[in-house]
Amino acid sequence: ETGVTQSPTHLIKTRGQQVTLRCSSQSGHNTVSWYQQALGQGPQFIFQYYREEENGRGNFPPRFSGLQFPNYSSELNVNALELDDSALYLCASSLQQGVQETQYFGPGTRLLVL
Amino acid sequence: RKEVEQDPGPFNVPEGATVAFNCTYSNSASQSFFWYRQDCRKEPKLLMSVYSSGNEDGRFTAQLNRASQYISLLIRDSKLSDSATYLCVVANYGQNFVFGPGTRLSVLP
Repeated sequence: ETGVTQSPTHLIKTRGQQVTLRCSSQSGHNTVSWYQQALGQGPQFIFQYYREEENGRGNFPPRFSGLQFPNYSSELNVNALELDDSALYLCASSLQQGVQETQYFGPGTRLLVL
Repeated sequence: RKEVEQDPGPFNVPEGATVAFNCTYSNSASQSFFWYRQDCRKEPKLLMSVYSSGNEDGRFTAQLNRASQYISLLIRDSKLSDSATYLCVVANYGQNFVFGPGTRLSVLP
């Protein structure tokens, strides 16, 4: 196993609600990236946190926000949920060093918005 | 044009077959390349990194052609357990991973 954990594993919300997803990175890793994976598609990059600072963002609206804590765990917050937000949310941890930086994924949180 | 494109699939092959997956990327500044494997309803798991000189790990061989911006994965002697979706991933140093849409493989008995 990768040592990356996520909670909760599954979640059901209704449109307009807010959700917080959590990720604990692998020991020694300082970077967490979040991805959204819709059914039948590859993961899409949401944003990355490096040492508690946002370090890049994909094409997602501001209602997707995040945090990284001093222990390098992270949260993804989504406000004003929409039906299209239903997806598997993956976090990946990595250690930024050199050119070849491998990311290790957690099991994901399945979000269903009704 | 999508930043990373893959064979659309699905690929249905008999056990023991050799199968090849292709991937192209559009960003010539890309520096890191990977193949990830994703089982149904599971997270992606690293299969192998891809190096400029090409690399092999058992039955799996990855090739990179920077001039053509093309990556390949060859699986020899397919096993039932190889059935999964294979994701091509491209990244710049310290930047986000860009995933292809994946190619689904079913190895049939």
